[in-house]
Amino acid sequence: QVQLVQSGGEVKKPGASVKVSCKAFDYTFTSFGITWVRQAPGQGLEWMGWISTYSGDTNYAQKFQGRVAMSTDTSTSTAYLELRSLRFDDTAVYFCARDRLGYPSSGFDPWGQGTLVTVSS
Amino acid sequence: DIQMTQSPSSLTATVGDRVTITCRASQRMSSDVNWYQQKPGEAPMLLIYGASSLHSGVPSRFSGSGSGTEFTLTISTLQPEDSATYYCQSSNPYTFGQGTKLEI
Repeated sequence: QVQLVQSGGEVKKPGASVKVSCKAFDYTFTSFGITWVRQAPGQGLEWMGWISTYSGDTNYAQKFQGRVAMSTDTSTSTAYLELRSLRFDDTAVYFCARDRLGYPSSGFDPWGQGTLVTVSS
Repeated sequence: DIQMTQSPSSLTATVGDRVTITCRASQRMSSDVNWYQQKPGEAPMLLIYGASSLHSGVPSRFSGSGSGTEFTLTISTLQPEDSATYYCQSSNPYTFGQGTKLEI
């Protein structure tokens, strides 16, 4: 069935970068955009940005501008999130999610299982 | 940026109750407000899209309504498995409300 499978957990030091992957199964990858959302421990959901898997166009939340990069590899149906200059408060579970239809305002479904990124010295 | 403020932040209800969660936007919205349910240790799940349309596979006891700056999620007859945190979400930027924790 349609699903997104994310890479495993990461432990990084402050100032480092992390790259999380999200592999799509059982649908045409380039027909639906991918959103990235994070959730710090015990906190709510925070939208980070969206990428068109068709064109590569991105829409980043202002908070992450300059520190985030979203990309895709259409040959492997995989989306990537890279976050640079990591800080302790970047410790969170990072989720990818697919547009329900072909545009992000249609809602996000399905979601990946989440990837825990821990920033620790 | 649009701010989405949910109320209440938490509530406790009983099986069979009718529950309403409100989401207020800081500026007038289109109808592209979505609602999600998240259980501990799980990814969120889409419940309602376009303010009032029930996502495929979601029980009919869930419903959404609203327009402008005020939107609501209603659970008509609460079930034990509805214990979760619920989030509203705006469109572009796709800001989430702070969440409403529902305990049963």
